[in-house]
Amino acid sequence: TQLLEQSPQFLSIQEGENLTVYCNSSSVFSSLQWYRQEPGEGPVLLVTVVTGGEVKKLKRLTFQFGDARKDSSLHITAAQPGDTGLYLCAGAHSGNTPLVFGKGTRLSVIA
Amino acid sequence: GAVVSQHPSRVICKSGTSVKIECRSLDFQATTMFWYRQFPKQSLMLMATSNEGSKATYEQGVEKDKFLINHASLTLSTLTVTSAHPEDSSFYICSATGTSGYTDTQYFGPGTRLTVL
Repeated sequence: TQLLEQSPQFLSIQEGENLTVYCNSSSVFSSLQWYRQEPGEGPVLLVTVVTGGEVKKLKRLTFQFGDARKDSSLHITAAQPGDTGLYLCAGAHSGNTPLVFGKGTRLSVIA
Repeated sequence: GAVVSQHPSRVICKSGTSVKIECRSLDFQATTMFWYRQFPKQSLMLMATSNEGSKATYEQGVEKDKFLINHASLTLSTLTVTSAHPEDSSFYICSATGTSGYTDTQYFGPGTRLTVL
């Protein structure tokens, strides 16, 4: 079984604080995706990282893919209440095969 | 681009009835579609993988006769929950991968909330 360990599972922080979510695996992925999901909705793709060591920025969100393509992190700077939601990382081994999902990080940003 | 729709968004049915959920890729051809089930406050659980024109591949523990999947075209897959029971109540989400761009990337539908009374 291929596992993607995501941590922390729950995070409650004050508005303006920074946070980092981690996803780690013993498997090498061809790409890794980060999604954000709000209650009652489907996951929305935030970013896909493909190259080892790649860093992508999306406004206050910074995504990094590990050099060995086994791990990834999501860093949020100056969190806002609108960032509240479930963040999911998912690793892909090849096109059209099922993604390996982490268990998710439930983030709550308090104003 | 890469929009996936699901219909219906919510359905309430009586125990014993069958419910069909549609998943459509609106602006791309989906070579593969996936069906997930999600329980409250949990991550996604893969139910089956569906390739256009072929039989779906079900994950261990998922009854293929209970959850019928049809992927008749490159833009449409359907999940039919047959003889639904209250324990089938859940949030069902589909996703699709396309033929261009990052073929690993899955785009998700908005989900269908099924409640079986």
